[in-house]
Amino acid sequence: AQSVTQLGSHVSVSEGALVLLRCNYSSSVPPYLFWYVQYPNQGLQLLLKYTSAATLVKGINGFEAEFKKSETSFHLTKPSAHMSDAAEYFCAVSAPHGSGNTGKLIFGQGTTLQVKP
Amino acid sequence: GAGVSQTPSNKVTEKGKYVELRCDPISGHTALYWYRQSLGQGPEFLIYFQGTGAADDSGLPNDRFFAVRPEGSVSTLKIQRTERGDSAVYLCASSLTRDTTEAFFGQGTRLTVV
Repeated sequence: AQSVTQLGSHVSVSEGALVLLRCNYSSSVPPYLFWYVQYPNQGLQLLLKYTSAATLVKGINGFEAEFKKSETSFHLTKPSAHMSDAAEYFCAVSAPHGSGNTGKLIFGQGTTLQVKP
Repeated sequence: GAGVSQTPSNKVTEKGKYVELRCDPISGHTALYWYRQSLGQGPEFLIYFQGTGAADDSGLPNDRFFAVRPEGSVSTLKIQRTERGDSAVYLCASSLTRDTTEAFFGQGTRLTVV
């Protein structure tokens, strides 16, 4: 079974400050991990993904995340927040290829990022 | 099309009525997924199609929910005898195959049961 926990339902940062959104996962098999962003009244957009290659993954809009197996974590970071980063962020896990994977995603509850001017 | 298209974007229905929600995936994508997102929650998996067949329907909450994909492209999620608890945003996603690690999401259908 797989699950995702996002620590902090709301995170507020000042423009230009570091963004850190936390995600911990549970998986009985080596996981694939994802971060999605959802802007108001829009669909989910993939920010980045980890699929068992490099543990430090770079995504769009300056975001990156590091897979840490020992900590079962996949935290999302961005060095300097922009006002346009304000949105809902979801961490998700799926099972990798060759393990009966259907490609379905298990999502966390989401973190709302507020960016203050 | 350019992306995953879902219609209608909003649907208001009375308790007990039947509704259909449509998803038009990206052309050529064989894998199609339905998710439900309740207010303040992350999306929850409902059902997965590989081609025309429902390969995993373990997320459907009960037998009032049913989905089809008769020609392996457009899918319809059907909800019978709607209840107020069915109110949510229903999201559709597609990917090239189940092994493709990127799913593309539609904008969703917001269903409100009154």
